[in-house]
Amino acid sequence: QSALTQPASVSGSPGQSITISCTGTSSDVGGFNSVSWYQQHPGKVPKLIIFEVGSRPSGVSDRFSGSRSGNTASLTISGLQAEDEADYYCGSYTTSNTLVFGGGTKVTVL
Amino acid sequence: QLQLQESGPGLVKPSEPLSLTCTVSGGSVSSSSYHWGWIRQPPGKGLEWIGIIYYTGSSYNNPSLKSRVTMSVDTSKNQVSLNLSSVTAADTAVYYCARLDSWLRLYYFDSWGQGTLVTVSS
Repeated sequence: QSALTQPASVSGSPGQSITISCTGTSSDVGGFNSVSWYQQHPGKVPKLIIFEVGSRPSGVSDRFSGSRSGNTASLTISGLQAEDEADYYCGSYTTSNTLVFGGGTKVTVL
Repeated sequence: QLQLQESGPGLVKPSEPLSLTCTVSGGSVSSSSYHWGWIRQPPGKGLEWIGIIYYTGSSYNNPSLKSRVTMSVDTSKNQVSLNLSSVTAADTAVYYCARLDSWLRLYYFDSWGQGTLVTVSS
């Protein structure tokens, strides 16, 4: 199975908004509401920040939002802060009863 | 509070099997709302899904790992296990155990273990 496609890096200045894309197919991202996003700081464990395309777990900042259009899901970070500098991964369920992650996006706060 | 702890050898020789155990505390592996998964991350690289298993023993694996993956559940010990056969240097990675919320078929990993680094080397 192929990994979902994410940009390798995205950067922004403090206070700005950035968007990370996650492109799949109708067999994964476009076919199910099971798109999720994970934040991973260097040397740390991945943390769930978005599930069900655009839902946030309790305790996750509302600066993080998720959406989807067709086969592409997006994670938007608004009011970018230094602590948001991390790697971000999307994930999805697939028609093959499997799961797949994106290749990851490194977010840099300028 | 749910906790997951991976355990197993940190060094495995090429062609030998890799065996890891995930001990779950603060929750039950027998819960009908969750699957239990394994994810790995090679040094400096991204996340790779290995597989998931339900308390009944029903499991799904990453096709790219073909038939090298075997997973099991021990409800009496509240543990899940991973066995990866015939390892090579490409299997060197941090291996994570994680809980998959599958209640509403939304399938997301909501709780992760700390991860354990497994190095394949002679």
